[in-house]
Amino acid sequence: DAKTTQPPSMDCAEGRAANLPCNHSTISGNEYVYWYRQIHSQGPQYIIHGLKNNETNEMASLIITEDRKSSTLILPHATLRDTAVYYCIVRVGFWGAQKLVFGQGTRLTINP
Amino acid sequence: EAGVTQFPSHSVIEKGQTVTLRCDPISGHDNLYWYRRVMGKEIKFLLHFVKESKQDESGMPNNRFLAERTGGTYSTLKVQPAELEDSGVYFCASSPDLAGGSGQFFGPGTRLTVL
Repeated sequence: DAKTTQPPSMDCAEGRAANLPCNHSTISGNEYVYWYRQIHSQGPQYIIHGLKNNETNEMASLIITEDRKSSTLILPHATLRDTAVYYCIVRVGFWGAQKLVFGQGTRLTINP
Repeated sequence: EAGVTQFPSHSVIEKGQTVTLRCDPISGHDNLYWYRRVMGKEIKFLLHFVKESKQDESGMPNNRFLAERTGGTYSTLKVQPAELEDSGVYFCASSPDLAGGSGQFFGPGTRLTVL
């Protein structure tokens, strides 16, 4: 079973920041938070991951609370192409990485 | 750099027939995974290879499914005999082996329809 809770859907205006929340209150100390998205019926796309520090890459920023029980994925300037289902997944990061357990995700719709 | 590729993109077969799906991971990635999504449900893990060895095959639904990764490069997933409930999209993913974890990079999927 997925270890995360996400809202089923969200809307955001094009050009604005999209903030997607995720609760993972049972996260263990050695588990990372990963974000993926699936655009229409394409293969899931890796976005970002982090352990306890905030992370940023060319796609998004990941903010993890100090107690690590929740996180927020931020798409700073959302475009129509960011419309997708976004998945928050927690898993151990070590040599020989584990499987991903997908939940229902958040269906993000970017509106013009 | 080439991404994960899968072949075929679509396959339509009749119940009882055999189908073989192929996945070519990103070069140098030791980890290779198979997932599938059936009937609009959540994406489910099938199995995980590390090089040519099966690390975790806990998600394989039954013995009609056989996965191989000879030589630790590409992988095949054979369904024999196919049943109606096997219809869905089969995704392959690969990742390098990094201590801090790494994202898995997915292919476009193979859409399997069993009639």
